[in-house]
Amino acid sequence: QITLKESGPTLVKPTQTLTLTCTVSGVSLTTSGVGVGWIRQSPGKALEWLACIYWNDDKRYSPSLKNRLTITKDTSKNQVVLIMTNMEPADTATFYCAHSLDARGPYITPEAFDLWGQGTLVTVSS
Amino acid sequence: AVQLTQSPSSLSASVGESVTITCRASQGISSALAWYQQKPGRPPKLLIYDASTLEPGVPSRFSGSGSGTDFTLTINSLQSADFATYYCQHFSTYPITFGQGTRLDFK
Repeated sequence: QITLKESGPTLVKPTQTLTLTCTVSGVSLTTSGVGVGWIRQSPGKALEWLACIYWNDDKRYSPSLKNRLTITKDTSKNQVVLIMTNMEPADTATFYCAHSLDARGPYITPEAFDLWGQGTLVTVSS
Repeated sequence: AVQLTQSPSSLSASVGESVTITCRASQGISSALAWYQQKPGRPPKLLIYDASTLEPGVPSRFSGSGSGTDFTLTINSLQSADFATYYCQHFSTYPITFGQGTRLDFK
C-alpha cells in the first residue's frame, strides 16, 4: 500500500524560501517507473501542477514557476523535497504530493496521479 | 501549454439523476485525460484515466469518454457521496494542466 505524507512549515514570510517534504511509503523512489509530483491549490481555486521527479532522477517543472522551483529526492529516506523560492502572498495554498501512475514505456511521459497525500496548507504572510 | 476548459462551472442535481461534465482541450491530446473528484478539505481522488479507464474501486456509475479535444464525465444515478467538485487533467505532454473544476451540488 502506497502512502504519501507532506510536511513543512505552515507559515512563511514574503521573500522567504519554502521547503516541503513528501515522505513516501510502500514503494521505493528508485523503482523503475515511479514518479512523484507536487500540485498546489490556492484557497477556493483549481489545482495547479508544479513539478515531477522520476525514478531515474529525471525532473519536470511548470514553465511559469520553473525559475523558483527545485525538486529533489532523498533515496535514503524515500522522500521527495520541493523548494520554492521568493514566496509571496499569492503562493498561499495547500500543497499536495502525489504518486504518478507508473511509466508505461522507457521514456519519461506525464501520467495521472493515482495516490495523493493529505496536503499541507502553507500561508504566506508577514 | 494545453488549456482545459470545463463546463459547466457548476451544476445542481438530485439523487438518482444523471449528469455530464465536459472538458475541452485547446489542442488534441489523444486519450491522455484523467478525471478527479474532490471533496472539501480532502485531496483529489482519481476516478478515470486514459479518458475512459475506471480506476479500481471507483463505482461503475462513473464513466468517461472522448478523445482528441472533447471529453465527458458522466455520473449515472447520482448518490449523495457524489456531490463534490470534479477536475479534468491532461497528461499528453508537459506541462500538466488541470481544468478549472465543476462543482456539483444538491438541487
